[in-house]
Amino acid sequence: NAGVTQTPKFQVLKTGQSMTLQCAQDMNHEYMSWYRQDPGMGLRLIHYSVGAGITDQGEVPNGYNVSRSTTEDFPLRLLSAAPSQTSVYFCASSRGRGFGYTFGSGTRLTVV
Amino acid sequence: AQRVTQPEKLLSVFKGAPVELKCNYSYSGSPELFWYVQYSRQRLQLLLRHISRESIKGFTADLNKGETSFHLKKPFAQEEDSAMYYCALSGLGDNYGQNFVFGPGTRLSVLP
Repeated sequence: NAGVTQTPKFQVLKTGQSMTLQCAQDMNHEYMSWYRQDPGMGLRLIHYSVGAGITDQGEVPNGYNVSRSTTEDFPLRLLSAAPSQTSVYFCASSRGRGFGYTFGSGTRLTVV
Repeated sequence: AQRVTQPEKLLSVFKGAPVELKCNYSYSGSPELFWYVQYSRQRLQLLLRHISRESIKGFTADLNKGETSFHLKKPFAQEEDSAMYYCALSGLGDNYGQNFVFGPGTRLSVLP
């Protein structure tokens, strides 16, 4: 039981490049979310999903896309990287209300 | 809209001293509240859920609806408790994914 797995752990991008951050969970959780963590700002919700085929925007969605074709996978796509997207990205999944979220180990992204 | 505040960015205590990390929330209904801990450069880990009334690693938290608070307490701090602590709230609306909100975090430093 691996929990929530994120890849890669580290990534450096040039401005304008695109990439996909991978997230997979093996707990059959319906709910999945992507957060970014920045110093002094805590965690901010980027996108979330309440089940396969259903996604919606969070607090800071601009510049990011998501899809949820299966229960297990919830990739986050950066369309055209900008230095403002330098951050640590966390994927999380939840069984539902009352259980809280289980987090992945994070991806540290630097855009130069 | 729900909101979580943690008034202290940094809290320093000596080993063996009591610890109280403050968390206040604003929400019109009955929320579910959580505490997460993040050790240096690691993933967030669920520490406590208010509905389960657990005590983990010596930490406890009581929901005070009158004061809209969910403070985290430990009677005797240990050096290994040094970490970032986040309070989180889940609203009871239909949109569980969007309604899971984190506070800005408090860094606890336990001095020898």
